[in-house]
Amino acid sequence: DTEVTQTPKHLVMGMTNKKSLKCEQHMGHRAMYWYKQKAKKPPELMFVYSYEKLSINESVPSRFSPECPNSSLLNLHLHALQPEDSALYLCASSQPGPQDDGYTFGSGTRLTVV
Amino acid sequence: AQSVTQPDIHITVSEGASLELRCNYSYGATPYLFWYVQSPGQGLQLLLKYFSGDTLVQGIKGFEAEFKRSQSSFNLRKPSVHWSDAAEYFCAVGSGTYKYIFGTGTRLKVLA
Repeated sequence: DTEVTQTPKHLVMGMTNKKSLKCEQHMGHRAMYWYKQKAKKPPELMFVYSYEKLSINESVPSRFSPECPNSSLLNLHLHALQPEDSALYLCASSQPGPQDDGYTFGSGTRLTVV
Repeated sequence: AQSVTQPDIHITVSEGASLELRCNYSYGATPYLFWYVQSPGQGLQLLLKYFSGDTLVQGIKGFEAEFKRSQSSFNLRKPSVHWSDAAEYFCAVGSGTYKYIFGTGTRLKVLA
């Protein structure tokens, strides 16, 4: 079983909907990440949280809103998305900084915007 | 500029044959180097990593990689490929500052 759990696995939403993606890790990691991956492309970094504080926002549109309620949980709130936002959304965790030992990824949420 | 190049978009090998996937990088600082594997519709799984020390690193599933500083390369190898190895493979480089650079990936097909 993966130690980074993402829910839901699949999500279909309309352009006026509000939904949230959830991620939970049991690795004891203090850095958590959201990545977006389009088909046949590498993952693209969206957000990084380190010690529950947002440390990197890769100029992501405001219709994506991250939240880190505690060191184990990471949410991505979605509102007024566009069809081009359809993608696989991956959560990952790691130890921050020099202790970085590589990412542990979740299985992702396949998002379709209609 | 920092970059990672995986020159081969697709590779096809026969089951039981040896495999080498290429990765070249351009990075100013001392790099942390990684190989990840992704099965269709799944997340990425870490195969192996290099931070320092022995330039030949062993990973999971029988994979190994060799860091060659003079060639700025970190190629992934496996002596005998299994059908279950068919997947997308990503090389990544970072320096412990959260932002990894991923290569564009190599899709591996295994013939029975």
